[in-house]
Amino acid sequence: QKEVEQNSGPLSVPEGAIASLNCTYSDRGSQSFFWYRQYSGKSPELIMFIYSNGDKEDGRFTAQLNKASQYVSLLIRDSQPSDSATYLCAVNGKGGAQKLVFGQGTRLTINP
Amino acid sequence: EAEVAQSPRYKITEKSQAVAFWCDPISGHATLYWYRQILGQGPELLVQFQDESVVDDSQLPKDRFSAERLKGVDSTLKIQPAELGDSAMYLCASSYSGSNTGELFFGEGSRLTVL
Repeated sequence: QKEVEQNSGPLSVPEGAIASLNCTYSDRGSQSFFWYRQYSGKSPELIMFIYSNGDKEDGRFTAQLNKASQYVSLLIRDSQPSDSATYLCAVNGKGGAQKLVFGQGTRLTINP
Repeated sequence: EAEVAQSPRYKITEKSQAVAFWCDPISGHATLYWYRQILGQGPELLVQFQDESVVDDSQLPKDRFSAERLKGVDSTLKIQPAELGDSAMYLCASSYSGSNTGELFFGEGSRLTVL
């Protein structure tokens, strides 16, 4: 079992709709959860992090965490073509908060 | 805005040759990471440094890969000899040890093609 699993997609969403990205992790001891966005040919950039169960909102982005189910999600409201990218879920590994284990990423396409 | 510097951006080499990548983290960031990202996959940690010490190199193929951070600032990742399967993006990242967010700041990456 991979430590962090994501559906690789591609996920296609019409412009203005809600995009929902999901991630599961295997280590129950994980404390920190991150969503990175990676445009084609570019390096990952952090868009959200979450530590506590529940929802965390930042603009059009909402991260959701359910530690009991070992599940993290990212919702993007009012999706824009500029949101088209690969979204990487990352979880802190056994090395603590500063050792991140990444999922394989979900490729998202927003259709105008 | 401070950035993680990496070079070269692109490297094409033949198998069995040696290649080296350089990274200069954001000033003041004690933790430095080298990740490898194969096309279509997520980044995989190769080595993590805290200052000049290796914290984790469990996924580094030590028969051909080496990494050093002699003065605890910039770092070099070397591959000798390169193999076809080493074709990937090599990402360097750094983080501030005192950070409570655990955010990693990535460089632009070094794309390696082995022919």
